[in-house]
Amino acid sequence: KNQVEQSPQSLIILEGKNCTLQCNYTVSPFSNLRWYKQDTGRGPVSLTIMTFSENTKSNGRYTATLDADTKQSSLHITASQLSDSASYICVVSAIVANDYKLSFGAGTTVTVRA
Amino acid sequence: ETGVTQSPTHLIKTRGQQVTLRCSSQSGHNTVSWYQQALGQGPQFIFQYYREEENGRGNFPPRFSGLQFPNYSSELNVNALELDDSALYLCASSDRSRGSYEQYFGPGTRLTVT
Repeated sequence: KNQVEQSPQSLIILEGKNCTLQCNYTVSPFSNLRWYKQDTGRGPVSLTIMTFSENTKSNGRYTATLDADTKQSSLHITASQLSDSASYICVVSAIVANDYKLSFGAGTTVTVRA
Repeated sequence: ETGVTQSPTHLIKTRGQQVTLRCSSQSGHNTVSWYQQALGQGPQFIFQYYREEENGRGNFPPRFSGLQFPNYSSELNVNALELDDSALYLCASSDRSRGSYEQYFGPGTRLTVT
């Protein structure tokens, strides 16, 4: 079972509308959680990174939240634009025996339509 | 742009052939990780190289091998290609010696095996 589950798998929204993506994880011990944006056929680009003590972080129209108690994170996109069409990947990090492990979600594909 | 480059951008190979993919890490980074990303899935960890030595490996067979050079650039070699090897191959660089595990992804190489 994947240690990072994302929902929904995909969604379609109209330009200008808001949307929220979900990420639930079981990774332990938790180090940090990142949200990446990946355009089709391109490498992922980091949007936000949050550690255990942070519960919200913004990057322009992207706002990520983290509840380390329930092991849930969300990514909120405000006033969506056509360029927001991409896959959004949640990545949870753990440091075990001085080794750094990343666990990737399968991503949520967002399509913004005019 | 992350400063991580990969080559080639795309390539097509025939089942049974061998392929070499290349990655140049961001300046100052000594660690390179390789990932395989099938269509619609999150990246799967193949292996990581730190200071020219393999430093962790995912669940991939021995026909997936790699190298890291003194300038920290890296190669991923895949022998006896199979149809299921068709994927986007991503490399990510980081600087472990500074205690920073932030990974910066390259644009990827799209491999198609026919």
